[in-house]
Amino acid sequence: GIQVEQSPPDLILQEGANSTLRCNFSDSVNNLQWFHQNPWGQLINLFYIPSGTKQNGRLSATTVATERYSLLYISSSQTTDSGVYFCAGMYSGGGADGLTFGKGTHLIIQP
Amino acid sequence: EAQVTQNPRYLITVTGKKLTVTCSQNMNHEYMSWYRQDPGLGLRQIYYSMNVEVTDKGDVPEGYKVSRKEKRNFPLILESPSPNQTSLYFCASSLKIGSPLHFGNGTRLTVT
Repeated sequence: GIQVEQSPPDLILQEGANSTLRCNFSDSVNNLQWFHQNPWGQLINLFYIPSGTKQNGRLSATTVATERYSLLYISSSQTTDSGVYFCAGMYSGGGADGLTFGKGTHLIIQP
Repeated sequence: EAQVTQNPRYLITVTGKKLTVTCSQNMNHEYMSWYRQDPGLGLRQIYYSMNVEVTDKGDVPEGYKVSRKEKRNFPLILESPSPNQTSLYFCASSLKIGSPLHFGNGTRLTVT
């Protein structure tokens, strides 16, 4: 199966700061998605972004499928942005049984 | 409200006592899947289902069973739970495989 590497594994920022989270894939993927797991454990789908750029408020994501990576940008961080961010993708060569997840970036936003 | 509903949220049981974690979605999704989340290991797929009566193993299926008799329901069955199955479990669904995935709120299982 494909390997999904997320960086950085941990990130601590002050409220108001901007951040960039990265996701690299070992092989070509499609159906790339970003998720946020809040401190209560809930997993929320942030973006479905197989290619290109999308924005939702202070969050935006960019996927460069040909180079096998995706970026999640968080601007003007708030404490409610804390949690773990996961990216996931599905091998585009066929036979995949679903999304493969990275191990996540643990983000702490301090007031 | 469109959602994936898992029950129970918390479960403490003893080794060998059969249990079922229920999962239901109201979005008419074809694809459903179970994951377990463990510290340092991320989310790993246990079983998935492409549609009614179609199920298949994911990456860590040992010790688990599933069924998909109806489109909306996808229960996870542990016939004889063991302590190494202590974990946080998530059910998820999407319209089709690879479509935007929606998660339930999770079930925290402890097996003593």
